[in-house]
Amino acid sequence: DTAVSQTPKYLVTQMGNDKSIKCEQNLGHDTMYWYKQDSKKFLKIMFSYNNKELIINETVPNRFSPKSPDKAHLNLHINSLELGDSAVYFCASSRGLAGVSEQYFGPGTRLTVT
Amino acid sequence: GDSVTQMEGPVTLSEEAFLTINCTYTATGYPSLFWYVQYPGEGLQLLLKATKADDKGSNKGFEATYRKETTSFHLEKGSVQVSDSAVYFCALSMEYGNKLVFGAGTILRVKS
Repeated sequence: DTAVSQTPKYLVTQMGNDKSIKCEQNLGHDTMYWYKQDSKKFLKIMFSYNNKELIINETVPNRFSPKSPDKAHLNLHINSLELGDSAVYFCASSRGLAGVSEQYFGPGTRLTVT
Repeated sequence: GDSVTQMEGPVTLSEEAFLTINCTYTATGYPSLFWYVQYPGEGLQLLLKATKADDKGSNKGFEATYRKETTSFHLEKGSVQVSDSAVYFCALSMEYGNKLVFGAGTILRVKS
């Protein structure tokens, strides 16, 4: 069974479009995250949700809007896509706070904006 | 702010060579420290962790010791295999924080 799954795995789209990435975890965790990995492999937190409540928003443009319909799902909607949004986006989850809990990562969604 | 610095790669080794990847951190408190590994085309997996000073994390032949005096968490393996080729990330998290802060990642290539 896949612990953290993301769809789609690849997403190619044009500038100005709106797209969504979905994430689901079946681990019973109460905290979920979105990370962005750039072309140089650098990883940075974007958002963190705990029990469906937003607790971290790391100065991400407001074109990015996360939504957590329940504890098992955290989706990422991106409006008016720009070339600089091209990256790999990783969803992750943990039981409790990141400081004491291992984070489990999904396989990533490679977004290419042309 | 809190940060992690890793040695730059890529690191290229022959099979059975000794591996060290250096990692140092800057934090205002006492973080937990992690090594994650990313195999080609995959997400990250936790390799090992340490939550307090002098703890040693170990897994799959890899080891790292939390050194508070040098603010370091270097990754070592005595004999690498081709299957160890991957990107290795050092990361920290504060006790009451809710995010991982990653280093830039180190690409490891092991040749047979």
